[in-house]
Amino acid sequence: EAGVAQSPRYKIIEKRQSVAFWCNPISGHATLYWYQQILGQGPKLLIQFQNNGVVDDSQLPKDRFSAERLKGVDSTLKIQPAKLEDSAVYLCASSPTGGTIYFGEGSWLTVV
Amino acid sequence: AQSVTQPDIHITVSEGASLELRCNYSYGATPYLFWYVQSPGQGLQLLLKYFSGDTLVQGIKGFEAEFKRSQSSFNLRKPSVHWSDAAEYFCAVGAKEYGNKLVFGAGTILRVKS
Repeated sequence: EAGVAQSPRYKIIEKRQSVAFWCNPISGHATLYWYQQILGQGPKLLIQFQNNGVVDDSQLPKDRFSAERLKGVDSTLKIQPAKLEDSAVYLCASSPTGGTIYFGEGSWLTVV
Repeated sequence: AQSVTQPDIHITVSEGASLELRCNYSYGATPYLFWYVQSPGQGLQLLLKYFSGDTLVQGIKGFEAEFKRSQSSFNLRKPSVHWSDAAEYFCAVGAKEYGNKLVFGAGTILRVKS
């Protein structure tokens, strides 16, 4: 079974530029998550989707971060404009409803 | 508020020695509990999980964990550590009442010396 796919794996951008990350969850998983992991910390939830609806985006900095999950499958996370403190690993994860959460390899962002 | 505490930032053990990584949580609901491992440059791999039932759960790579409700703990153990176990370990807690999203601890970095 294919796992959670993410791209790009690595991205370096200058502050104030924009970046987008893509995620393809495990087939059939209704729930999709984006987590932010800053170096030396545990992952923190940014946004949770159930199918194509948002369940929780309380920790998403909405002035610069946006996410969508069109058609309830793939998802895109965008940052615009980026700040230095956005340097982190962005982890996409998916789960069947109420089930175990599986993570992708992550997209590593460096803002310079 | 939900929180997860991993008291040890770094742990160093000798290859072949036993290991215990601590995890304590504060949660206002019946928790689901997880341990994930992360190698450098990699994503999170699920080691084991507890939803209900037997409080001693077995995972991959020879790891086990025990849920102790009275102590709000879910410590990870391995009887004999291998050099390949060197990685960062994260404890995470979720609950149906909170939409099943996970709250993570800050992680424990395991170093294995030969």
